[in-house]
Amino acid sequence: EDKVVQSPLSLVVHEGDTVTLNCSYEVTNFRSLLWYKQEKKAPTFLFMLTSSGIEKKSGRLSSILDKKELFSILNITATQTGDSAVYLCAVAVGDNNDMRFGAGTRLTVKP
Amino acid sequence: DTAVSQTPKYLVTQMGNDKSIKCEQNLGHDTMYWYKQDSKKFLKIMFSYNNKELIINETVPNRFSPKSPDKAHLNLHINSLELGDSAVYFCASSRSFSQETQYFGPGTRLLVL
Repeated sequence: EDKVVQSPLSLVVHEGDTVTLNCSYEVTNFRSLLWYKQEKKAPTFLFMLTSSGIEKKSGRLSSILDKKELFSILNITATQTGDSAVYLCAVAVGDNNDMRFGAGTRLTVKP
Repeated sequence: DTAVSQTPKYLVTQMGNDKSIKCEQNLGHDTMYWYKQDSKKFLKIMFSYNNKELIINETVPNRFSPKSPDKAHLNLHINSLELGDSAVYFCASSRSFSQETQYFGPGTRLLVL
């Protein structure tokens, strides 16, 4: 059975802190790993990772994939209150773009 | 312009009723999806359609039936609603079934009483 496990499940930090969110997976027929940010409503896309060791960056957010150890991390530096959200990790498997989502990490950034 | 839209946003109904949720995307995408997010925020795929054809059908009760009249629309009909169906249902779309980046609708919060 495919598994996507995120840790921690929740995290409370103060503005300016740096956080690292973890996602490990065990799936068959891996295609890619994706990170989403979910605030009050729909998840919004952050990154898609397909190759090991290549860091993707967008402003204060960055992510990297390790296909040998089967995990990815999402880093957020200099956190702001607007970063408060649930961060979802998803793995796309198979030819039909089937997605397996982790349970999410709830990040709360306090002023 | 809303890329992926769903109606209704909220749905409160009694057990045993039949209800539908509609989804439309104006992105010109070929592939659409339905997800269920439960109270623990766990997101699970239910169905995927590519060009009006069903390509993913996860283990979902037969009471759930998707319908895609055209590739811009994917509706979800639920028969004989049960308490456990209460959740947020998200529609999503992607350019094709091989393009992993999915764009999500705002969600429909369903509460079965």
